[in-house]
Amino acid sequence: AQKVTQAQTEISVVEKEDVTLDCVYETRDTTYYLFWYKQPPSGELVFLIRRNSFDEQNEISGRYSWNFQKSTSSFNFTITASQVVDSAVYFCALSEAKVSGQGGSEKLVFGKGTKLTVNP
Amino acid sequence: DTEVTQTPKHLVMGMTNKKSLKCEQHMGHRAMYWYKQKAKKPPELMFVYSYEKLSINESVPSRFSPECPNSSLLNLHLHALQPEDSALYLCASSHGTIITETQYFGPGTRLLVL
Repeated sequence: AQKVTQAQTEISVVEKEDVTLDCVYETRDTTYYLFWYKQPPSGELVFLIRRNSFDEQNEISGRYSWNFQKSTSSFNFTITASQVVDSAVYFCALSEAKVSGQGGSEKLVFGKGTKLTVNP
Repeated sequence: DTEVTQTPKHLVMGMTNKKSLKCEQHMGHRAMYWYKQKAKKPPELMFVYSYEKLSINESVPSRFSPECPNSSLLNLHLHALQPEDSALYLCASSHGTIITETQYFGPGTRLLVL
């Protein structure tokens, strides 16, 4: 069965610190996709990244970077030089590339989220 | 443009009221979703519409009734709700109907049932 674990419930940092949000997943499939979403206090889930299981290259987008390691089933997210506007709940999510009827879940499986607070 | 809009932003209703939530997207997406999110929890899938047809109902109580009048619009009709139904209701859409497609979310409707 699919499972996503975000062991860090809450993290608090001071502005300009680097912070890494951990995500560990479980799946029996060889083809799957991983996502990160940001949910600020306003409520909207903002899409950050989608990565398929065959692409293990790390990704950098501005101050954001993602480290995908299949060997440890992890897809960690790092914010460099954090800012107050980065304060939000961050969700890691997993989906398997199976069609209905082949035993795959049709749901996007979310982790429980990590609440990041960046203090000025 | 990856915008999904939802109205209203906030809704307060009594247990005997009938109300509707509205979701709209103009990205040409063919799949639309309703999620329910309680405080400090991840979103929980309620319904999925694929090409304007209901494809997934996650055993949601009948007091929630979804409707997809056209490919851009998704409604959630509410009737005889309970206080425990108070939550953030999120709409999402994706280009295709395969679950691995990226889902883009709207800002949500914060519902309070008194």
